[in-house]
Amino acid sequence: NAGVTQTPKFQVLKTGQSMTLQCAQDMNHEYMSWYRQDPGMGLRLIHYSVGAGITDQGEVPNGYNVSRSTTEDFPLRLLSAAPSQTSVYFCASSYNGGREQYFGPGTRLTVT
Amino acid sequence: KNEVEQSPQNLTAQEGEFITINCSYSVGISALHWLQQHPGGGIVSLFMLSSGKKKHGRLIATINIQEKHSSLHITASHPRDSAVYICALDTSGSRLTFGEGTQLTVNP
Repeated sequence: NAGVTQTPKFQVLKTGQSMTLQCAQDMNHEYMSWYRQDPGMGLRLIHYSVGAGITDQGEVPNGYNVSRSTTEDFPLRLLSAAPSQTSVYFCASSYNGGREQYFGPGTRLTVT
Repeated sequence: KNEVEQSPQNLTAQEGEFITINCSYSVGISALHWLQQHPGGGIVSLFMLSSGKKKHGRLIATINIQEKHSSLHITASHPRDSAVYICALDTSGSRLTFGEGTQLTVNP
C-alpha cells in the first residue's frame, strides 16, 4: 500500500493564481481531511469528507474548495491564491474520523 | 480558543533520560491522539486512547478523563526520538483539534 500520497511536494504561486493540491489514499478509508500547518499554531482543519460525495467545512475553509467524487481522491483547490495561504498542507485519512489518522507527506506552498 | 494545551513547548534531554510531555484540555472528548512529526515534516500517529494507558516499545501514553489530562512518556530516550509531539482531541468523531506541539531534542 502507498498509504496517503500528496502532490506536489513543493509549489510556488503568484497572488491570484489557482491550483489544485492532490491527495489520494489506497486504504479504502471513508474519512479524509485537509489541514494547514503554520508556525506557532497547531494543525487546523480546512475541509473534510466522511465519504464519496460528502464534504464539509472545517475551521479555516475560506479560499479553498474540495470535492470527493471517489473514495480514493480528495483534491484541495485554491481558487485565487493569497500570501496568507502560504503554509504546509497535509492530507489525512482514517477508517472513520475517530480512528487512527494516516497523514500524507505534506505540500509546502508559498504564495508571493 | 485553547481547548488543548501542551507543555512544555520545548524540551531538551540527554540520551537515556525519561521524558514526559503533558496535554491538558478543557472540553469533553471521545478520544485523544498522540502524533509524532519528524524533522522532515512527516506526521505519524502514535496512540489513540480514550481511557487508561497504552504502551508501544519505549513509548507510554496515559489519560485521565476526569482530570482532562494526558501524558506521553518516553523511556530511555534516544536522539532518534527528537521530533515534535502533538496532542489532538477527538471531540465529535469526525474532527480533531490539535495542540501546538512539543519540540523534543535528545542530545547524545
